[in-house]
This record gives sequence, structure tokens and C-alpha cells, in this order.
Amino acid sequence: GESVGLHLPTLSVQEGDNSIINCAYSNSASDYFIWYKQESGKGPQFIIDIRSNMDKRQGQRVTVLLNKTVKHLSLQIAATQPGDSAVYFCAETVMNSGYSTLTFGKGTMLLVSP
Amino acid sequence: DGGITQSPKYLFRKEGQNVTLSCEQNLNHDAMYWYRQDPGQGLRLIYYSQIVNDFQKGDIAEGYSVSREKKESFPLTVTSAQKNPTAFYLCASSARLAGVAKNIQYFGAGTRLSVL
Repeated sequence: GESVGLHLPTLSVQEGDNSIINCAYSNSASDYFIWYKQESGKGPQFIIDIRSNMDKRQGQRVTVLLNKTVKHLSLQIAATQPGDSAVYFCAETVMNSGYSTLTFGKGTMLLVSP
Repeated sequence: DGGITQSPKYLFRKEGQNVTLSCEQNLNHDAMYWYRQDPGQGLRLIYYSQIVNDFQKGDIAEGYSVSREKKESFPLTVTSAQKNPTAFYLCASSARLAGVAKNIQYFGAGTRLSVL
């Protein structure tokens, strides 16, 4: 969904469902992407990354898909658990003077009901 | 216990006052970063440093200053010129990889700054 002002797009799922969180990125030259999870009042935690020469990468219960044609990333969480409730951010690499920095998306809130 | 330590967890600033947020890492990372996060928003880059005694402005550097005298430490000063300082401030670090896009940043627990 689209981010509107201060309101994060929110995905509400039931425990045990599969969740899909989407992200559109802006720079067609971006070479590397990361998904982070941020729980309330804490710093973001690394979940999974993917290089631009890959379409898919799997981790434990998570899969990231990359569609470079339409500049779209998605994070799939299998068998979602209440502990997965958090805000999820995608980040893309930007090269500055030979070193990389990250540009973060606005985030999606995932709410998991027992 | 390896990681990134930010202090204090909560900080209050009076009108016209400068305040300094601490960030220390023991990951032996060369690069360090400061971000600002407003409610319901993503992270915006304030300053970053790829090596000791060197740092660059990010997207929203006005009203902030930094120093990088030691590899482990990257303090952020919120000056009185920053008129809207209330936000959640996050420090991160990563291994410095010249010419390589891969840049996994590891974050501290954050400092919440409010104006009195």
C-alpha cells in the first residue's frame, strides 16, 4: 500500500498465515537490498539481503523476491507468529564517493493476531 | 557482549541548549552512521563516517554536528539550530567495503529526544 502522511501501511494477519510485505525502490542502479525488522522502541534488526543479480533468496521462514524490471521487492514470511509483529523496512544501496550508504523505505507495520 | 551501545535511552532538551548523544561500538567496524526517525516514518540519514577523523553530511545534516576521534565512538550533537529535534535517533555501524555495494548496518537501541 501507499504511505499516507504519518500513517504506516499496515498488514494484519492471523497467526499461522503467510505474510507478504511489499516495497518499491527508486534507484534502478541499486545493486544490493536489505530487509530490516523494527520492534516498538528498538533499533532495526537485519533479516535478509539480496544482490541485484538474484531474483530470490531464502532464509529461515523468510524469502525475499526482487523484480528489477518494476523496481519491486517483497518479503514473504511463512507461518507468521505473534513475535513477527513489527515494522518492516526495505533498504537499497546508494554509492557515495566509492562507499555505499542505505536509503530506507517508509516501512510497513505487520500485526499478527493469535 | 558485542554490539552498539547508545546512551542515554531518553534525553530532554531545553530551549537553546545543545545536547550530545553517545554511540559506541565494539564490532571493529570502520563505518558509523546516525539516523533520525520520526513517528510513522522511515530512517533519514543525518551524518556518516567511513573512517576515523572523516565524516560526511547525509540528507538532513542541518542543525547537527558529529566527531569521529576514535574508531569506536561517533557522538552526535543536536544543536540549538535544530528547531524540531524531537525524534528517535539511531546509530549504526558497518564494515567499510570500498567499491562494494553490500553494506549490512547494525543498529543500536536508539535514543529518544524530547524538547521541554
